[in-house]
Amino acid sequence: KQEVTQIPAALSVPEGENLVLNCSFTDSAIYNLQWFRQDPGKGLTSLLLIQSSQREQTSGRLNASLDKSSGRSTLYIAASQPGDSATYLCAVNPLNAGNMLTFGGGTRLMVKP
Amino acid sequence: NAGVTQTPKFQVLKTGQSMTLQCAQDMNHNSMYWYRQDPGMGLRLIYYSASEGTTDKGEVPNGYNVSRLNKREFSLRLESAAPSQTSVYFCASAREARETQYFGPGTRLLVL
Repeated sequence: KQEVTQIPAALSVPEGENLVLNCSFTDSAIYNLQWFRQDPGKGLTSLLLIQSSQREQTSGRLNASLDKSSGRSTLYIAASQPGDSATYLCAVNPLNAGNMLTFGGGTRLMVKP
Repeated sequence: NAGVTQTPKFQVLKTGQSMTLQCAQDMNHNSMYWYRQDPGMGLRLIYYSASEGTTDKGEVPNGYNVSRLNKREFSLRLESAAPSQTSVYFCASAREARETQYFGPGTRLLVL
């Protein structure tokens, strides 16, 4: 069964720092991987989706990479801002699981002014 | 565009009561999903509908039923609520299966 782990569970950084959030998964047979942001008491907002054939995707200050063979993805946030404070979740879509996403537990990020 | 909307925002039920959570999307998406989010368990898929007229079980379907009323609407029904169903429920939609999912704001359900 696919398992997704995100370490650390929580992270606090000063404003302006570049940071990396990690996501690891146990089965490399995936269709794609998605990164989401969740603000307290809110729904999830999709940030980036990487297909299994891709190595990375970029959107503004965000860059997500995928190393399928090693079961790892990273989300790089450049020049962090207090508005980036949220919980970041990664989710994989296993090849044999159709519509099912398997989510990690998330990393709670706090960016201090 | 409102995106994905869910009603109600918050609900308190007594054990054994029934209720239906409503979800609608205005993005003309084919696929719709129901998830629950619990502390320490993350987000888990309850049911999904790959297209109008079809529904399939997800990871945790027991105690729930769904209806894909039309392309826009996908409802989740609890026939006899249990305290273990206390959770935050999210509806999501995607243009097609395996594409980016867009989430609603959630329904917070407390079963006493």
